Amino acid sequence: GDSVTQMEGPVTLSEEAFLTINCTYTATGYPSLFWYVQYPGEGLQLLLKATKADDKGSNKGFEATYRKETTSFHLEKGSVQVSDSAVYFCALSDRETGNQFYFGTGTSLTVIP
Amino acid sequence: EPEVTQTPSHQVTQMGQEVILRCVPISNHLYFYWYRQILGQKVEFLVSFYNNEISEKSEIFDDQFSVERPDGSNFTLKIRSTKLEDSAMYFCASSGLRYNEQFFGPGTRLTVL
Repeated sequence: GDSVTQMEGPVTLSEEAFLTINCTYTATGYPSLFWYVQYPGEGLQLLLKATKADDKGSNKGFEATYRKETTSFHLEKGSVQVSDSAVYFCALSDRETGNQFYFGTGTSLTVIP
Repeated sequence: EPEVTQTPSHQVTQMGQEVILRCVPISNHLYFYWYRQILGQKVEFLVSFYNNEISEKSEIFDDQFSVERPDGSNFTLKIRSTKLEDSAMYFCASSGLRYNEQFFGPGTRLTVL
């Protein structure tokens, strides 16, 4: 079945450090891939998405590239800020298995000044 | 910017009691969802709802669960007789199109004692 495996956390970085959060997936069909972010006390917010192979999603300095050959969608940011502290969720939706989302476990990021 | 809202933010109940979790999806959306996240585990799909009926449900969504759209704005999840293992964060989501990104509410934390 479909699933998402996400890098375990928590992750603690200093401000301006480089961030990578790994995400790999298993899918029956040809999925769309998403990164959601959850700030403290808030809901899941869409950060970026990619719907086909080699697409790069980007938003707020974050990027992720849909790699079909490695079934990956790693999240990266060149220089993190304290305000990026949140929990990040990788997710997929797959038309072959319906319109539910499959989520990873979430990675907690703390950025210290 | 339109958003999904959920009430209450935290619900504490005794085992065996009925609970109703409420959601107001984004007003022009047609597809509605419930997910849950047990502490430390993945966000799991429960059910999707379209055109006033359930379109998909997971194995978790057994006879103890039901969903309803009682009017044009609310979307509710009812648990008839809560168990300790129902303690989780419950997220409501909505989308405008079937396979598009889903917009999530802030969640309701359910604690069953």
